[in-house]
Amino acid sequence: DAGVIQSPRHEVTEMGQEVTLRCKPISGHDYLFWYRQTMMRGLELLIYFNNNVPIDDSGMPEDRFSAKMPNASFSTLKIQPSEPRDSAVYFCASSFAASGWTQYFGPGTRLLVL
Amino acid sequence: GEDVEQSLFLSVREGDSSVINCTYTDSSSTYLYWYKQEPGAGLQLLTYIFSNMDMKQDQRLTVLLNKKDKHLSLRIADTQTGDSAIYFCAEGGRNTPLVFGKGTRLSVIA
Repeated sequence: DAGVIQSPRHEVTEMGQEVTLRCKPISGHDYLFWYRQTMMRGLELLIYFNNNVPIDDSGMPEDRFSAKMPNASFSTLKIQPSEPRDSAVYFCASSFAASGWTQYFGPGTRLLVL
Repeated sequence: GEDVEQSLFLSVREGDSSVINCTYTDSSSTYLYWYKQEPGAGLQLLTYIFSNMDMKQDQRLTVLLNKKDKHLSLRIADTQTGDSAIYFCAEGGRNTPLVFGKGTRLSVIA
């Protein structure tokens, strides 16, 4: 398996622009997680899905952030409008509940908002 | 809520053993994990231990679990420069996603 795939790997944008991050989980996995990593806050869980349904979005920082999972093989995290404080590395991870909670991470998207 | 604590930095000489420590608060944790993050990369699963185990060994890695004290450690024998990375401890229960610590940055001095 190719593992968790994220795109783009790097994104530079200007404040106020819309940013869309994409994730393809490992085939057959039924959970998908979005994380944000910064030096100050460490690794933060933003939202997670089970069978394409959002379960807990309490980590989403504000209404500018939204996430969707239209099918089992694709998810997006959108920031609209983006702000400089959104600059971070965003990770997607997936897991298969029947084999425990082991999460497999993608390589991340490094976002810089100017 | 659940919390996972780790020291932020550790520096060791090449060839020495490294011990990275972690404490957690959720006594119902079923699995405890160690992930490794190399520069510019995602988190990579290193090893995990079930809560009913005390120790797990995998080549140069030894995981020790003290469930009474809610203390987890990762020992890396014969530490190499390639082991320089951030190591994350994480704990998870039956029906909850993983809770991660802030990570320990291991620096290996040649």
